Amino acid sequence: QQPVQSPQAVILREGEDAVINCSSSKALYSVHWYRQKHGEAPVFLMILLKGGEQKGHEKISASFNEKKQQSSLYLTASQLSYSGTYFCGTADRGSTLGRLYFGRGTQLTVWP
Amino acid sequence: TAGITQAPTSQILAAGRSMTLRCTQDMRHNAMYWYRQDLGLGLRLIHYSNTAGTTGKGEVPDGYSVSRANTDDFPLTLASAVPSQTSVYFCASRAGGQVTDTQYFGPGTRLTVL
Repeated sequence: QQPVQSPQAVILREGEDAVINCSSSKALYSVHWYRQKHGEAPVFLMILLKGGEQKGHEKISASFNEKKQQSSLYLTASQLSYSGTYFCGTADRGSTLGRLYFGRGTQLTVWP
Repeated sequence: TAGITQAPTSQILAAGRSMTLRCTQDMRHNAMYWYRQDLGLGLRLIHYSNTAGTTGKGEVPDGYSVSRANTDDFPLTLASAVPSQTSVYFCASRAGGQVTDTQYFGPGTRLTVL
């Protein structure tokens, strides 16, 4: 039930764009995105709900494709502060009372 | 606003010793969770509690126990620590069990078992 994230790592120059994907083998009700800086706790970015809506946080947005059971996180015009590890957490039909399953993370490094 | 606090921040523990990691939240959230984070493996759920008085096992519960005597506190106990329990431990909470509820994480406890 653990979702699969891709790619495992991304290296960017400041101003470049990136896409991080999160896929599940189960039908999803929601996808939660987090960013974790080195040595810190994961910080909530946004929730995507069943229905295909798209959300945004600063220049970071995400989409949720129910048919593909996948969510994508879009980082536009990357800033140095975007560096960190991004995790998706998914809630599917089998989740116990909304429990989340987390992917292994995508490490994003932005260079000046 | 405190949110979730964890103690200690870090600890070095001799193998075979017991230890309790503390977690307290002030948001009156019903659901609480304990995760361990190891390099390359992401966040793995150890135990969870959907409401005070109830607990459940996650993906990696062996060697750990929890209790939930009240809404605010969710301690994690290692009865007899082993080196494979060296990890960073995060406590988390959510208001309820709805898929729309945001999950918040505490600052973590870095545990080294020698």
